[in-house]
Amino acid sequence: QVQLVQSGAEVKKPGASVKVSCKASGYTFTNYGISWVRQAPGQGLEWMGWINTYNGNIDYAQTLQGRVTLTTDTSTSTAYMELRSLRSDDSAVYYCARDSEELVGWGQGTLVTVSS
Amino acid sequence: EIVLTQSPGTLSLSPGERATLSCRASQSVSSTYLAWYQQKPGQAPRLLLYAASSRATGIPGRFSGSGSGTDFTLTISRLEPEDFAVYYCQQYGRSPRYTFGQGTKLEIK
Repeated sequence: QVQLVQSGAEVKKPGASVKVSCKASGYTFTNYGISWVRQAPGQGLEWMGWINTYNGNIDYAQTLQGRVTLTTDTSTSTAYMELRSLRSDDSAVYYCARDSEELVGWGQGTLVTVSS
Repeated sequence: EIVLTQSPGTLSLSPGERATLSCRASQSVSSTYLAWYQQKPGQAPRLLLYAASSRATGIPGRFSGSGSGTDFTLTISRLEPEDFAVYYCQQYGRSPRYTFGQGTKLEIK
């Protein structure tokens, strides 16, 4: 079955960067894109960006443009999300999800805490 | 950018009752690209419905969706204890690719 397994929780200082991984299994990785969605504590869902795992095309949310980078390693069926210049309001659970114009199959989430 | 507004913010019902959740878009949305998700505490969201009314794999028949244009509805015909959760509507588009509603919390009365 479709499974997305994310890397573990991170604690970062303001201004630092974080890189979260998302390893896919149970399907052909390059047949579906990967989207990243984050959720601040007690808040709703915010779409961050999407990567086409076949050709590398990327679409970022405007609010994060310039601070976020999505990449993939097709040899290991792994997607990565790097967020730079972290601020306290970037503290959130970060999810990857298999993207086929709806999000079917989500990772378990990675808690990123930004604190001095 | 299309804004999705969900109502009510919180819905208090009892098991066995019918739940009706609303999602209103700031401009017309193709029903092909309207989805609903369920999220329980400490868990990732789960796709319930796509294309406004098609149930995702494994979703029970008590969940149904309807609507078109700017008004969409998620209906749970007879609430089970495991249905109490937060529900989000989502639309797929361009710039940004996805927008979500702010969520409706369905709580036990």
